[in-house]
Amino acid sequence: DTAVSQTPKYLVTQMGNDKSIKCEQNLGHDTMYWYKQDSKKFLKIMFSYNNKELIINETVPNRFSPKSPDKAHLNLHINSLELGDSAVYFCASRRGTGGEGYQETQYFGPGTRLLVL
Amino acid sequence: GQNIDQPTEMTATEGAIVQINCTYQTSGFNGLFWYQQHAGEAPTFLSYNVLDGLEEKGRFSSFLSRSKGYSYLLLKELQMKDSASYLCAVRRGGATNKLIFGTGTLLAVQP
Repeated sequence: DTAVSQTPKYLVTQMGNDKSIKCEQNLGHDTMYWYKQDSKKFLKIMFSYNNKELIINETVPNRFSPKSPDKAHLNLHINSLELGDSAVYFCASRRGTGGEGYQETQYFGPGTRLLVL
Repeated sequence: GQNIDQPTEMTATEGAIVQINCTYQTSGFNGLFWYQQHAGEAPTFLSYNVLDGLEEKGRFSSFLSRSKGYSYLLLKELQMKDSASYLCAVRRGGATNKLIFGTGTLLAVQP
């Protein structure tokens, strides 16, 4: 009955490889996000999708490509991995794009710890 | 642009009260969130303020002054399990409702 789940939890890979991490939410939310948390614990938005449509695309290298097959899933594919990509990647979801209050809270997945060697 | 500042680390004693401050400068302010993050875990929602004043939820309270660009999180009756990072996040208005996070405050509760 996990609300926001991510796979894998840990990912260790070599520089130059291509890898994907997956996220699924069973909350019926419309909006999903990818965040990167670096070694200094700074949490930064990367992408957001609302009902399969890209609505936030921060200044992220184009080696990172998100894909949302449906509103419950948001995957992140990373090409040509670099040492600086090592971080924890969090997926999050939120009910909608408008309104105020608690229903706009973002719920985070458990994170994917990526280590590039 | 946006700038969110929090102290990097704080230490407090079990049973005491601690206040974690957050100052922000951002355009299109549309609410402020506090999240708690234990080591190795995901951030979890603590509180939300969009109007000035104090919001109380059990041992945790959060205050907002929009005119001063200032918020604080107040933790009462501290417990060892409150040792965690506390993240202040400002929401920008508009269709994207983007959250901008501060760098977080690492709180250590000592016996």
